[in-house]
Amino acid sequence: QKEVEQNSGPLSVPEGAIASLNCTYSDRVSQSFFWYRQYSGKSPELIMSIYSNGDKEDGRFTAQLNKASQYVSLLIRDSQPSDSATYLCAVNAGSGTYKYIFGTGTRLKVLA
Amino acid sequence: KAGVTQTPRYLIKTRGQQVTLSCSPISGHRSVSWYQQTPGQGLQFLFEYFSETQRNKGNFPGRFSGRQFSNSRSEMNVSTLELGDSALYLCASSLRGFVGELFFGEGSRLTVL
Repeated sequence: QKEVEQNSGPLSVPEGAIASLNCTYSDRVSQSFFWYRQYSGKSPELIMSIYSNGDKEDGRFTAQLNKASQYVSLLIRDSQPSDSATYLCAVNAGSGTYKYIFGTGTRLKVLA
Repeated sequence: KAGVTQTPRYLIKTRGQQVTLSCSPISGHRSVSWYQQTPGQGLQFLFEYFSETQRNKGNFPGRFSGRQFSNSRSEMNVSTLELGDSALYLCASSLRGFVGELFFGEGSRLTVL
């Protein structure tokens, strides 16, 4: 079983719609969760971090964490063509391990 | 504030050769980690260094090694290159490395022929 799972997509949404990206993880001791965006040919850049259950909002982005279900999601409101990229979910592998496990990413296409 | 700098950006090697990649973290960041990114496997953790100490290592063969210097700059080395080592190698810096966010460099794209 993969430690961090994401649907590879592509997820296609029309401009202005809400894009919903999902991620599940297997290690219950994980404490830190991150979403990165990676444009084609570029390196990942951090969008959101979330550490406790519930929602965290930053502009058009909302991260949601449910530790009981081992589930983290990213909502992008008012999606723009510039949001078209691969979104990587990353999970800290637990206290004292100093490493992050990345999902393989979901490719998002926002259609103008 | 300067970002994470990786050199070289592109390189081509042949099987059996070795390669050394360099990473300069964001000023003040003491944690440097390395990842290998391939289309099929995504980002795979190689190792993490903090204050010159390797704190964790991923599931890669011993041909992959790294080190960190007192100024937090880091290098990784791959010996006896194989075709499957062709990948984008990403360095990321972080303040502390385990609860902090990662800031990635542009990567070093290695092609092994």
